Amino acid sequence: QKEVEQDPGPLSVPEGAIVSLNCTYSNSAFQYFMWYRQYSRKGPELLMYTYSSGNKEDGRFTAQVDKSSKYISLFIRDSQPSDSATYLCAMRIAGFQKLVFGTGTRLLVSP
Amino acid sequence: SQTIHQWPATLVQPVGSPLSLECTVEGTSNPNLYWYRQAAGRGLQLLFYSVGIGQISSEVPQNLSASRPQDRQFILSSKKLLLSDSGFYLCAFYKAGPSYNEQFFGPGTRLTVL
Repeated sequence: QKEVEQDPGPLSVPEGAIVSLNCTYSNSAFQYFMWYRQYSRKGPELLMYTYSSGNKEDGRFTAQVDKSSKYISLFIRDSQPSDSATYLCAMRIAGFQKLVFGTGTRLLVSP
Repeated sequence: SQTIHQWPATLVQPVGSPLSLECTVEGTSNPNLYWYRQAAGRGLQLLFYSVGIGQISSEVPQNLSASRPQDRQFILSSKKLLLSDSGFYLCAFYKAGPSYNEQFFGPGTRLTVL
């Protein structure tokens, strides 16, 4: 079993839709949770960063962490074609810098 | 501001040839540096990380090696490339910000071994 599981997609939605991207994990020691966005042939860029459980909102993006279920989500409201990218979840244990990544979900937003 | 550079951007090499990929960071000193490989459908695989000059930790035994000759320079090398070395190579450094303290990635090098 992988430490972090993520559906590879692709996930295709029309412009304006609400998108839900998810990851599950097995290691209860993870405390820091990140979402990276990666455009084709580019390096990943940090999109959202959360510590422990709860929600964090930044514009159209909301990151949600449910540590009891070992489940994290990224919601994108009013999705735009420019949101078309691969979204990677990542997580780490407090005090350690090593990140464990999901395989990424490819999102396609059509105009 | 802190920035990270990688070169070359793309590389096509024959099997058995040597490899040298370079990563440099600006705007910070003594950063923790990382080399990742991203293969299609397999996510990011951590290859090496370094906490200082000459200090290299290997995560996966393989055909590659890394060196850190200067504080803000990280080099990925191979003496003889294999077909399986093809992939997208990413360098990252640890960056502290107002609301985060995480890894930031360079633009990557796409390597094709023929």
